[in-house]
Amino acid sequence: EAGVAQSPRYKIIEKRQSVAFWCNPISGHATLYWYQQILGQGPKLLIQFQNNGVVDDSQLPKDRFSAERLKGVDSTLKIQPAKLEDSAVYLCASSRRDGSYNEQFFGPGTRLTVL
Amino acid sequence: AQKITQTQPGMFVQEKEAVTLDCTYDTSDPSYGLFWYKQPSSGEMIFLIYQGSYDQQNATEGRYSLNFQKARKSANLVISASQLGDSAMYFCAMREGTSGTYKYIFGTGTRLKVLA
Repeated sequence: EAGVAQSPRYKIIEKRQSVAFWCNPISGHATLYWYQQILGQGPKLLIQFQNNGVVDDSQLPKDRFSAERLKGVDSTLKIQPAKLEDSAVYLCASSRRDGSYNEQFFGPGTRLTVL
Repeated sequence: AQKITQTQPGMFVQEKEAVTLDCTYDTSDPSYGLFWYKQPSSGEMIFLIYQGSYDQQNATEGRYSLNFQKARKSANLVISASQLGDSAMYFCAMREGTSGTYKYIFGTGTRLKVLA
């Protein structure tokens, strides 16, 4: 079974530029999560999708961040315009809707550096 | 208020010895789940072990066991017979809510260094 795929793995941009990250979850996983992990901290949930509907986006800075999950599969996370404090690793995870653990499977992450 | 608290920013353990990583949580939800993840320097998050709030027995997975004390709201991870490859960040996480609307909250992590 293929894992969660993310691209790009690394991205360096100037502040005020825009950037987009892509995530392909494990096949059949209905739930998809985007996390922001700032260096030295635990992951913070930005947005959670159930199929293509948003379940929780309470911690998403909506003035600059947006995300979509068309057709309930792939997802993109966009930052526009980026700020210095957006430098972080952006982790995508997926889980089955109904499973004994509902554990999340994580992708390798995208490391964003904003200069 | 912190929902997941990991009070040990860093821990050292000698190879082949056991180590306990602390985690306390706060929830009013009667149904919840507790997870431990390992994050090596390469960055991926690896699922280690799960404990459900209604589980009577402490969870075990190979060298990992979870010391679940519900009344104290603690879910400590015990790693037995530590190996050099266990050196990593370890995160405790809690899942609240119901199927389809689960929410996950992570602690700040503990960095474990295994010494040869």
